Amino acid sequence: EAGVAQSPRYKIIEKRQSVAFWCNPISGHATLYWYQQILGQGPKLLIQFQNNGVVDDSQLPKDRFSAERLKGVDSTLKIQPAKLEDSAVYLCASSPRANIQYFGAGTRLSVL
Amino acid sequence: QQQVKQSPQSLIVQKGGISIINCAYENTAFDYFPWYQQFPGKGPALLIAIRPDVSEKKEGRFTISFNKSAKQFSLHIMDSQPGDSATYFCAAKDTGGFKTIFGAGTRLFVKA
Repeated sequence: EAGVAQSPRYKIIEKRQSVAFWCNPISGHATLYWYQQILGQGPKLLIQFQNNGVVDDSQLPKDRFSAERLKGVDSTLKIQPAKLEDSAVYLCASSPRANIQYFGAGTRLSVL
Repeated sequence: QQQVKQSPQSLIVQKGGISIINCAYENTAFDYFPWYQQFPGKGPALLIAIRPDVSEKKEGRFTISFNKSAKQFSLHIMDSQPGDSATYFCAAKDTGGFKTIFGAGTRLFVKA
């Protein structure tokens, strides 16, 4: 079974630029999550989708971050404009049922 | 109240020794406590999990001890091996919510 795919693996941008991350979850998984993992910290949930509907986006900085899930499958997370404090690893996870999450390898973002 | 506090931040153990990582929580609505293992460049992977109706759960060399009255739980890695060197995250989730709250992580290094 293929795992959660994320791209790109690394991204370096200047502050105020925009960036997008892509996630392809495990086939059949209805729930998809985006997490932000700042160096030295645990993952923090940004947004959770159930199929293509948003379940929780309470910690998503909506003035600069946006996310969508296309046809209940792939998802993109966008940051526009980026700030220095957005430097982190952005993890995507998918879930077939409650309490089970499979994480991708993440996208490491550096904002200069 | 939503935090999960994890200690120590880092841990060095000799091969064959016991690694112990501790976590504490405040929210009594939490009823699922997973531990995740993360290797460099990879996403977190579920290692073992426990519900508060049991005081201990063992899977191979990994054991969770749970103290409901103290609102604390810990991960014990018996016969620690160099291949166990990774970052470990405790986490907590409540049945009614969708969000998993992660601790800050413990970097374990097992010396050969």
